[in-house]
Amino acid sequence: DADVTQTPRNRITKTGKRIMLECSQTKGHDRMYWYRQDPGLGLQLIYYSFDVKDINKGEISDGYSVSRQAQAKFSLSLESAIPNQTALYFCATSTRERYNEQFFGPGTRLTVL
Amino acid sequence: KNQVEQSPQSLIILEGKNCTLQCNYTVSPFSNLRWYKQDTGRGPVSLTIMTFSENTKSNGRYTATLDADTKQSSLHITASQLSDSASYICVVSAILDSNYQLIWGAGTKLIIKP
Repeated sequence: DADVTQTPRNRITKTGKRIMLECSQTKGHDRMYWYRQDPGLGLQLIYYSFDVKDINKGEISDGYSVSRQAQAKFSLSLESAIPNQTALYFCATSTRERYNEQFFGPGTRLTVL
Repeated sequence: KNQVEQSPQSLIILEGKNCTLQCNYTVSPFSNLRWYKQDTGRGPVSLTIMTFSENTKSNGRYTATLDADTKQSSLHITASQLSDSASYICVVSAILDSNYQLIWGAGTKLIIKP
């Protein structure tokens, strides 16, 4: 079984719709992250959480919100989707250790029409 | 501004050949540099990490180098295999206010042809 899972894997939605992407992990890691990947660009950090009560904005948080329901679950919401939010979204986890490696989920391909 | 630039943007080589991917960064203060491999449709997976004091590190057919003075890193792949076809991403970590900030490169797309 995969250590970091994301649902759905693919989603097509319309402008103005609210959508939620979910991430679950069985690695027991405290830290979780949401990234966005666009063609030709590096991964961009949307939000990150160092534990259940800690939520932080990343570099491109506008238009997004998150919820850390438990240590193992971290959800990303688009309150009112717009076409330029069409992208590949990744969830990742890591430990608290220095030089911590991030472990990624398989990604969610989101298309906003 | 902290930036990571990778070259080439894409590369096509024949199976069995060697290749070298480049990563230049302007990140300060530098903590470490990591190379990830991202297969199509999958999340990135770490290949190796380089800290300030390390010059060379190998992981099987992958060898990473780091020159902290010139702020350059390279990833050398020896005797390429079809399974090496992927994007290779360089990520540099900076220490800011006791937290680590990751600056991601755009990646090099490598295609291995039989």
